[in-house]
Amino acid sequence: EAQVTQNPRYLITVTGKKLTVTCSQNMNHEYMSWYRQDPGLGLRQIYYSMNVEVTDKGDVPEGYKVSRKEKRNFPLILESPSPNQTSLYFCASSLRPSRHNEQFFGPGTRLTVL
Amino acid sequence: AQSVTQLGSHVSVSEGALVLLRCNYSSSVPPYLFWYVQYPNQGLQLLLKYTSAATLVKGINGFEAEFKKSETSFHLTKPSAHMRDAAEYFCAVSDNSGGSNYKLTFGKGTLLTVNP
Repeated sequence: EAQVTQNPRYLITVTGKKLTVTCSQNMNHEYMSWYRQDPGLGLRQIYYSMNVEVTDKGDVPEGYKVSRKEKRNFPLILESPSPNQTSLYFCASSLRPSRHNEQFFGPGTRLTVL
Repeated sequence: AQSVTQLGSHVSVSEGALVLLRCNYSSSVPPYLFWYVQYPNQGLQLLLKYTSAATLVKGINGFEAEFKKSETSFHLTKPSAHMRDAAEYFCAVSDNSGGSNYKLTFGKGTLLTVNP
């Protein structure tokens, strides 16, 4: 089944404890992206990747890192999480970096930082 | 930069009634527009997309949307609501802000409640 998977689905952590949220897609997609969803704000892009080893900042990159060493994986790293990073995170992928290509979303990771 | 405005953060309809969810966009270039649905505790699923072909776009689950350039709108409709349509709906425009980043710019979402 073609899908985007994320792990973990739920995570509660404490301020300053490094964490990684994994994202993997099995559709051989070139473009991958991370969004965060906050009530009343919709989804905002954190980072994106055009292909392997090509990543760049989105609208809200502060406090996050990413890497794209393999085409299928795009982990999101929080080196020192803070409470304002409590949010619902979505990974998405698209076949090509193109305006008309739909993006496929993972199931989401709900992160709480105490 | 492109932007999307969804009018009404919460819409409530009766089962069998017409569903109308409003979306207006702002874009300096011909837009590519999407509607996504998010069911409770799930990710976003594409309902339909407009990519400059037909102005009336049919999607999954009986939904459709009409692109109206003169009104800069892309409203989502369904003739008869079902209980299973209860979800949050997001309108999005495909942005090309950085020359190579084809991100989606989302509206703030509309929560649809369907009453029996």
